[in-house]
Amino acid sequence: EVQLVESGGDLVQPGGSLRLSCAASGFTFGNYVLHWVRQVPGKGLEWVAGISWHAGSVDYADSVRGRFTVSRDNAENSLYLHMNSLRPEDTAMYYCIRERDQCRASMCHEFGYWGQGTPVTVSS
Amino acid sequence: DIQMTQSPSSLSASVGDRVSITCRTSQYISNYFNWYQQRPGKAPSLLIYQTSSRRTGVPSRFAGSGSGSEFTLTISGLQPEDFATYYCQQSHTPPPVFGGGTRVEI
Repeated sequence: EVQLVESGGDLVQPGGSLRLSCAASGFTFGNYVLHWVRQVPGKGLEWVAGISWHAGSVDYADSVRGRFTVSRDNAENSLYLHMNSLRPEDTAMYYCIRERDQCRASMCHEFGYWGQGTPVTVSS
Repeated sequence: DIQMTQSPSSLSASVGDRVSITCRTSQYISNYFNWYQQRPGKAPSLLIYQTSSRRTGVPSRFAGSGSGSEFTLTISGLQPEDFATYYCQQSHTPPPVFGGGTRVEI
């Protein structure tokens, strides 16, 4: 069974930094593209970042580009999101996601498996 | 970025009803289109991918259709567990964009 468990969410002041982690199990981690998607409470979904299976390709939403960095450790079956220069508008639930299937392209953006999320609050 | 227009934003229905949700995209996206269900307090889950392919385990009352720039999710015979929020999403051109959501209420 595919499992994705996020951690690291916290209350942080504007301008601060945070690192989110996602521990994966139940599949061959290094074979799959992974993503982060966020959701402001009571609002819609926003894709944040994606990373190819070999980490050779990464991509970001314009709203976080230059402030957030996605990375993965295939030996540890872990995905990370390093968040710097945090803003109040980054407040959201952050979900770790595995693509539905192995993707021949760098990313297919079919969000097949979701963790339960970790909450990030940016406030003074 | 591709713009998504999802409608309606909410609808009221009864158990057994047939309901449809529509999404329109600002550009042609072939069949690279997906639907998600989110129950209250839970993470979203993939229902339909590539316009009309049901995810394993998704009941046959859920059907996706469309092509190009207009797509529809139809639920035939609403069940109590179907009352949730539904999101559409294009996977044709980065960045992947979601629709604003449709809340299906009793």
